[in-house]
Amino acid sequence: AQSVTQLGSHVSVSEGALVLLRCNYSSSVPPYLFWYVQYPNQGLQLLLKYTTGATLVKGINGFEAEFKKSETSFHLTKPSAHMSDAAEYFCAVKGGGADGLTFGKGTHLIIQP
Amino acid sequence: GAVVSQHPSWVICKSGTSVKIECRSLDFQATTMFWYRQFPKQSLMLMATSNEGSKATYEQGVEKDKFLINHASLTLSTLTVTSAHPEDSSFYICSARGSQGAVGANVLTFGAGSRLTVL
Repeated sequence: AQSVTQLGSHVSVSEGALVLLRCNYSSSVPPYLFWYVQYPNQGLQLLLKYTTGATLVKGINGFEAEFKKSETSFHLTKPSAHMSDAAEYFCAVKGGGADGLTFGKGTHLIIQP
Repeated sequence: GAVVSQHPSWVICKSGTSVKIECRSLDFQATTMFWYRQFPKQSLMLMATSNEGSKATYEQGVEKDKFLINHASLTLSTLTVTSAHPEDSSFYICSARGSQGAVGANVLTFGAGSRLTVL
């Protein structure tokens, strides 16, 4: 079985500051890991994913995440926050049912001017 | 790129009525579709997995007679909430995955979600 833990239900940063959203996972098999962003009343948009290969993954909107097997982590970062980054972010691991994803509880990112 | 459309995006119904939500893959054939439920300020919970032409596989604790899923074609899956009650009010999101080697393969594309409010 797979599970995902996102530390911090809310993260607040100033515009221009570093964004760090934490995600730890557990998986009985080599994981596929994902980060999604959700804007209010909308579905999920894929930011980036790790399957195999390079452990540092670059995504859209300047986000990147690094897969660290030893730490069972897949933290999401962005060097400089923008107001438009304010949203809900979900970390997910492949598993559950027939390839369905298991999601973390989400982290609400707040950008302060 | 792969696009998934959900309809309706908002629906309000009276308690006891049934509501159907559609999930369509617009530019690819979706061999597998997933239905999720999201309560306010919470994560997505997988409800069921449907493969075209076969019965849906429901997650533990999800009533299959309450949430009827049909995946009759490679581009359409429907979720029907039968005899809806206020506790069924939620945000329902579908996702779809395409055939191996085709557009949308190995990528889960999410719909924009459908918000159900049961009065």
